[in-house]
Amino acid sequence: GAVVSQHPSWVICKSGTSVKIECRSLDFQATTMFWYRQFPKQSLMLMATSNEGSKATYEQGVEKDKFLINHASLTLSTLTVTSAHPEDSSFYICSGKTGETQYFGPGTRLLVL
Amino acid sequence: KQEVTQIPAALSVPEGENLVLNCSFTDSAIYNLQWFRQDPGKGLTSLLLIQSSQREQTSGRLNASLDKSSGRSTLYIAASQPGDSATYLCAARNQAGTALIFGKGTTLSVSS
Repeated sequence: GAVVSQHPSWVICKSGTSVKIECRSLDFQATTMFWYRQFPKQSLMLMATSNEGSKATYEQGVEKDKFLINHASLTLSTLTVTSAHPEDSSFYICSGKTGETQYFGPGTRLLVL
Repeated sequence: KQEVTQIPAALSVPEGENLVLNCSFTDSAIYNLQWFRQDPGKGLTSLLLIQSSQREQTSGRLNASLDKSSGRSTLYIAASQPGDSATYLCAARNQAGTALIFGKGTTLSVSS
C-alpha cells in the first residue's frame, strides 16, 4: 500500500515555542491531506482538511491561527503548532488521500513542557 | 453530523475465542466504513474497508459486516490470538472525498 511518513516522530518543546510537523506521501500524490489529533485513550479527532494549493478547512473548535497548515505540494503538508502550551500535548496523525483511500502516517507525539 | 460509537470500550478474552466488536453510526447515508487496528503509541493499520454497496468484507480471520439501514457494523475475529491485542477503531466516511470520522475504539486484550 501507499506510504505516508511524518517527521518528527517525537518532539518535546517548551511552552510558548512553535513546532512544525511534516507529513509526506512517499509514493503517491495526495491532493487532499487530513490532520487528526488523538488524546490519550481517546479517538482520532479531525482537525482540518487541506487541499494542495488551497487554504485548509478547519473543524469547529480548532483555532486556525494556532494550528497553521500548509499544503504546498502534492506530497507535502505541514502542521505548525504556534505558541504551544501543555494542553496542546497530543498525538498528531496526518493522512493522505488518493482516490477514495486514506493512508495514515505513523503519528507525531508532541509534549509541551 | 456523523457520530461513531464503539461498544464495548474494552474487552478481555482468552486465546482461541471468537469475538465481535460493535460499531454504530448516526448517519446511515455513509459512503464507506473502515476498520483499523492501532497498537499502543503507534499509527493506524487498515484492516478492512466496506463500501456502502457491500454487506461484508473478509480478510483471514477477520470479517466485517455493514448494515446501513440500522447504522451498524461489526468486526468478527475468529480464533483470537495474543497478537490480536490492540485497539480497534471503526471509521465512517459520509461522502466521497471527505475525511473518515472515528469512533473511540475497543481495546482488546487476548490472554494466552
